[in-house]
Amino acid sequence: ETGVTQSPTHLIKTRGQQVTLRCSSQSGHNTVSWYQQALGQGPQFIFQYYREEENGRGNFPPRFSGLQFPNYSSELNVNALELDDSALYLCASSSDTFSYEQYFGPGTRLTVT
Amino acid sequence: KQEVTQIPAALSVPEGENLVLNCSFTDSAIYNLQWFRQDPGKGLTSLLLIQSSQREQTSGRLNASLDKSSGRSTLYIAASQPGDSATYLCAVRGNYGQNFVFGPGTRLSVLP
Repeated sequence: ETGVTQSPTHLIKTRGQQVTLRCSSQSGHNTVSWYQQALGQGPQFIFQYYREEENGRGNFPPRFSGLQFPNYSSELNVNALELDDSALYLCASSSDTFSYEQYFGPGTRLTVT
Repeated sequence: KQEVTQIPAALSVPEGENLVLNCSFTDSAIYNLQWFRQDPGKGLTSLLLIQSSQREQTSGRLNASLDKSSGRSTLYIAASQPGDSATYLCAVRGNYGQNFVFGPGTRLSVLP
């Protein structure tokens, strides 16, 4: 059973650019959630995807968008990058949307200059 | 709006001590609570998941308790080791929410 993987590990972008982060969910998991973790803080919920549909969204602007594919892997896209978007981006997968444990990937460290 | 706090923010103890980390949440209508460990710059490792109907969960040297009515959970670590040094985060999921709300974490240092 493979765990949750994310790519790339690190990324440096310039303000105004666009970025795509990728997540492969754990085998057998159909739900992926994305979180943003600023330095020294707890993760903040961005959105969740369940069976290729967005299933809930946190307090993030529309320039944060996502996709989930038939194999349940997922992408997080961020347009018009701002300096405050610099953070660790975590994805988590689970067997359903609600009751089961979430398993987190290692994260993608995004730096916006 | 659910808010989660963790006390203390940082803790330094000598090896071998038993210790307690605290997590408080403002809305007691939770579905479950999960404790995580995070090493510097890394992802989160799940430690224990407590459903709202449960009072505690144990795994090895770790024991987590949940008191929903008072909005509190504690993580007890027995016989601490230097390898336990990390940031410990608690997260709660509400009855009608898909996401976890995280606390800011407790940074633990166990000194040899």
